[in-house]
Amino acid sequence: NFMLTQPHSVSESPGKTVTISCTRSSGYIASNYVQWYQQRPGSSPTTVIFEDNQRPSGVPDRFSGSIDSSSNSASLTISGLKTEDEADYYCQSYYESIKVFGGGTRLTVL
Amino acid sequence: QVQLVQSGAEVRKPGSSVKVSCQASGGTFSSYVFSWVRQAPGQGLEWMGQITPIFGTQYAQKFQGRVTITADDFNTTVYVELRSLRSDDTAMYYCARERGRGAWFDPWGQGTLVTVSS
Repeated sequence: NFMLTQPHSVSESPGKTVTISCTRSSGYIASNYVQWYQQRPGSSPTTVIFEDNQRPSGVPDRFSGSIDSSSNSASLTISGLKTEDEADYYCQSYYESIKVFGGGTRLTVL
Repeated sequence: QVQLVQSGAEVRKPGSSVKVSCQASGGTFSSYVFSWVRQAPGQGLEWMGQITPIFGTQYAQKFQGRVTITADDFNTTVYVELRSLRSDDTAMYYCARERGRGAWFDPWGQGTLVTVSS
């Protein structure tokens, strides 16, 4: 079993770039794919990154994902921030059949 | 394109049970893996368990013995039943289909609010 730790909140200005981290507590981050979900208030989550760095169709290329084995973490980077990017973001991974979510990061675009 | 439509909001008393449904349309229902994820008010996402065509059900340790996930292939509907409800089970409950090698969730249902209150 492992945990995924995210910063509670981040903030940045429109047009800037922000990176949200997701650190795996035990085991190797590269052992299992990492996904990222965006959740706006009152809505169900939607996928912005799957399988570490893949974007579903319809997600702008301002969203990118990466894995860093040295820090055992995954990252979601959003460039050219827009006010519509303001939301909660969750990372998710798995081991065997068990799914694990990070605690979520509130992104404020101000 | 798979779509998931969940049943409506529920209010239950502590100690009772609740069963939430999630009907899928589009695609081949019997080949899909479905999970249930819940979110308490103002809190994060919490995976409860899943049902798979081949391996049956797997549950998060936290819910073992208190949750049952079932599927009705004829009606293309997945269910989650939670028993011995407590006030801290008050949450939005989501179903989601698992996709790909990476076990990512897409789509998600619209959510069902379960309120546990005396």
